[in-house]
Amino acid sequence: DAEITQSPRHKITETGRQVTLACHQTWNHNNMFWYRQDLGHGLRLIHYSYGVQDTNKGEVSDGYSVSRSNTEDLPLTLESAASSQTSVYFCASSEGGSGSYEQYFGPGTRLTVT
Amino acid sequence: GDSVTQMEGPVTLSEEAFLTINCTYTATGYPSLFWYVQYPGEGLQLLLKATKADDKGSNKGFEATYRKETTSFHLEKGSVQVSDSAVYFCALAPLTSGATNKLIFGTGTLLAVQP
Repeated sequence: DAEITQSPRHKITETGRQVTLACHQTWNHNNMFWYRQDLGHGLRLIHYSYGVQDTNKGEVSDGYSVSRSNTEDLPLTLESAASSQTSVYFCASSEGGSGSYEQYFGPGTRLTVT
Repeated sequence: GDSVTQMEGPVTLSEEAFLTINCTYTATGYPSLFWYVQYPGEGLQLLLKATKADDKGSNKGFEATYRKETTSFHLEKGSVQVSDSAVYFCALAPLTSGATNKLIFGTGTLLAVQP
């Protein structure tokens, strides 16, 4: 069955370190998204991509970067981790094309920056 | 800009009680509307959707009707179960979303159902 996976599921890192969170989907979806989930804020979009070599900034992109070298993967990098980036991160994908808005979510990565 | 407003939680109900979670939106035109559910320790999954005014989305006993006149998409269920305990997110797809399928989410409402 097609799926979307994230790794690691839990990560503790120190302030200033570079961290990369992996996202892999086997749906063959064009579109991929990264969100962070924080109490009182719901889900906020960090970055998104609608195809290989395409990346776009979301509403809370500062301090994060992504790259899309193939259809299946969209890794999220925190260039220099800050305590404000402690959060739960979700990756999602969708088919693309107008009218097909359903997004499929991964299980999330809980990141703690100490 | 486009936005979604959900009622604050947590919502605590006894099993078999009637559920309403309010959702209102601000958007240009008539966006598609969604309810997603997040069970403990999991990612979000689509619960139901409606793509035009007066449409009713339904799934697993949950319903929501797209009300253009009140810009609302309230989630209802006639008889909740303990297994419905989760966080519920209202979301919309702006008309400008196009092929990128971007969604705007509300802040989520925690539902706790007690036996």
